[in-house]
Amino acid sequence: EIVMTQSPATLSVSPGERATLSCRASQSVSSNIAWYQQKPGQAPRLLIYGASARVTGIPARFSGSGSGTEFTLTISSLQSEDFAVYYCQQYNDWPPLTFGGGTKVEIK
Amino acid sequence: QVQFVQSGAEVKKPGASVRVSCKASGYTFTRSAIHWLRQAPGQRLEWMGWINPANGDTKYSQKFQDRVTITRDTSATTAYMDLSNLSSEDTAVYYCAARPGLAVAGLDFWGQGTLVTVSS
Repeated sequence: EIVMTQSPATLSVSPGERATLSCRASQSVSSNIAWYQQKPGQAPRLLIYGASARVTGIPARFSGSGSGTEFTLTISSLQSEDFAVYYCQQYNDWPPLTFGGGTKVEIK
Repeated sequence: QVQFVQSGAEVKKPGASVRVSCKASGYTFTRSAIHWLRQAPGQRLEWMGWINPANGDTKYSQKFQDRVTITRDTSATTAYMDLSNLSSEDTAVYYCAARPGLAVAGLDFWGQGTLVTVSS
């Protein structure tokens, strides 16, 4: 099973600032990762697939990059609605699909 | 629009079983696989299994292989997840989710979640 590790666990950022979230896979997953946003009491929301492709309707301030084992989600200028928990997920080698432990983006 | 509506919250005793349903609408039910996942309080998402509604084929996580069964009723456009021999560690929010088609990738559409609480 591929283990996904996210860092940091918590990121304190001021509105308008840039946030950079990391995700590492225990073995290569090519570009087969997705990123989700989850707010309290809600289901996850898909933001990015294929490491860098933005889902229709997701603002351009969200961007993904990386391949192999190292991936990054960047939020270029944090808005109030962006404070949430973000998860990465690999789908290169399944079953099972596996998720990272999440990064909580909080207001500084 | 694509929508998944899950059954309501459940409270179960240790050793019991639970069934969670996921009613799909807004697309052709047999054209997209349905995944089941869960999230324990404060924990990461865990993938439990997957069903191809067109033919009933399933794949399960080894972790849940012996206790989970995923089925579907195509006439009701509903998928079901049965989990047996519950323990307190199964207390979690259970989700169904899907994406267009049968290929596995990011999951675009999610149910609202069903809280299952296991307590004596």
